[in-house]
Amino acid sequence: QVQLVQSGAEVKKPGASVKVSCKASGYTFTGFYIHWVRQAPGQGLEWMAWINPNSGVTEYTQKFQGRVTVTRDTSITTAYMELSRLTYDDTAIYYCVTGIVAFDYWGQGTLVTVSS
Amino acid sequence: EIVLTQSPGTLSLSPGERATLSCRASQSVSSSKLAWYQQKPGQAPRLLIYGASSRATGIPDTFSGTGSGTEFTLTISRLEPEDFAVYYCQQYVSSLLSFGGGTKVEIK
Repeated sequence: QVQLVQSGAEVKKPGASVKVSCKASGYTFTGFYIHWVRQAPGQGLEWMAWINPNSGVTEYTQKFQGRVTVTRDTSITTAYMELSRLTYDDTAIYYCVTGIVAFDYWGQGTLVTVSS
Repeated sequence: EIVLTQSPGTLSLSPGERATLSCRASQSVSSSKLAWYQQKPGQAPRLLIYGASSRATGIPDTFSGTGSGTEFTLTISRLEPEDFAVYYCQQYVSSLLSFGGGTKVEIK
C-alpha cells in the first residue's frame, strides 16, 4: 500500500531554516509528482510546490519563491522540503502528498513551530 | 493563478439533511480538473471527488460532484454524523495548483 512517512515535529527560531523529509513506499517513486501543502493553525490548505521525482523538475507558488526548495533522492525514495528565513507565520503543519487521479495519498503531516 | 472561492463559509445542518457546497473558479478549470477533500480535526485531508464528478475509492454514493468551467458543486445527499467536517475544493489544471478556503459543515 502507498505510504508517505514524514519526519517529526520541529521547533525553529525566526530566521532559521527547516527541512522536512517524506519517505515514500508502496509504489514507483518516480511515477508520480510529490506535492507539499501546508496548513496554519485553524486555517485552510495552502499548496506550496511540486517536484517531478523522475526529472527533478520543480514548481513553486509565487508566495514562497526564493524561500522554499523541494528536492528528492530517488535512491531512498525520499522527497524533501526546505523552507528558509522562517517567520512566526510559517508555523503550520506541512504535508507531502502524491496521487494518481489527484491528491490521493497524504503523509501524516509535520508540525513546524516557529518560536523565539 | 486560479483563485477558488467556496461558499458558504459555514453550513449548519442536521443529520439526514442535504448539504450543497459551492466552489467558484476565477477562470475556467478545463478538463474538469477539480477535486474535493474532506478534513476532520487532527487528520490529513481525504480525497472525495476528482475530475469534478468521479468518486474516489471507498467514498459512498451519498457524495456527488457536479459542474464544469467555473462553477462546481459538492452535494452530500443525506448527512451522516461522520460527515460533519471541513470540505475543500482544489484545481489541478494549472501547474500552479490551488485550494478554496473551505466550507465547514457543522451540526445544527
